[in-house]
Amino acid sequence: NAGVTQTPKFQVLKTGQSMTLQCAQDMNHNSMYWYRQDPGMGLRLIYYSASEGTTDKGEVPNGYNVSRLNKREFSLRLESAAPSQTSVYFCASNRPPNRGGQPQHFGDGTRLSIL
Amino acid sequence: AQTVTQSQPEMSVQEAETVTLSCTYDTSENNYYLFWYKQPPSRQMILVIRQEAYKQQNATENRFSVNFQKAAKSFSLKISESQLGDTAMYFCAFMVTNFGNEKLTFGTGTRLTIIP
Repeated sequence: NAGVTQTPKFQVLKTGQSMTLQCAQDMNHNSMYWYRQDPGMGLRLIYYSASEGTTDKGEVPNGYNVSRLNKREFSLRLESAAPSQTSVYFCASNRPPNRGGQPQHFGDGTRLSIL
Repeated sequence: AQTVTQSQPEMSVQEAETVTLSCTYDTSENNYYLFWYKQPPSRQMILVIRQEAYKQQNATENRFSVNFQKAAKSFSLKISESQLGDTAMYFCAFMVTNFGNEKLTFGTGTRLTIIP
């Protein structure tokens, strides 16, 4: 009963390097989300995917790209990492088919440091 | 756009006492959901309680209950008989019901410490 799985859990990058954060869910959820959490700011939405094959920008999309590979997987890519992208990244999913207003289930987060 | 405000950055209470965390929100929507999430030091985001805006009855989950005042746009969380394991960051979150797009808007959180 894995729920939402994120890899890696920790990563250190140098400025300008690229990286992809992976997320997979096994709950048959339609919608998936990527958030970042910075001190004192709560969680902010980067991108989301309402269903397989669709993605949309959230509140803070600059510097990121996403891919909804299939119903289970939703990846977040940093093409050229910047120190301002140092944060904890959370993936989440919700919405079983035909059920609205369901709480989002979160992965354990990825702590990313950009030097 | 929706906003969520948690005006208490930090709170502390003695073990076994009751504590109330405040949350207000701003929206022009009529159909929405409200949530409280707990984030312990392990960093996991754990759902505490969920409230549907069209229901007047306040949600309860064991020691956790909410006081939902729709007209005042207020959604406070009461923790009764607090335990050391309740020590965590608590986030209030808002969700508009929009088919396929149910993103959450979070408050900035309240750090709650339960004192032995």
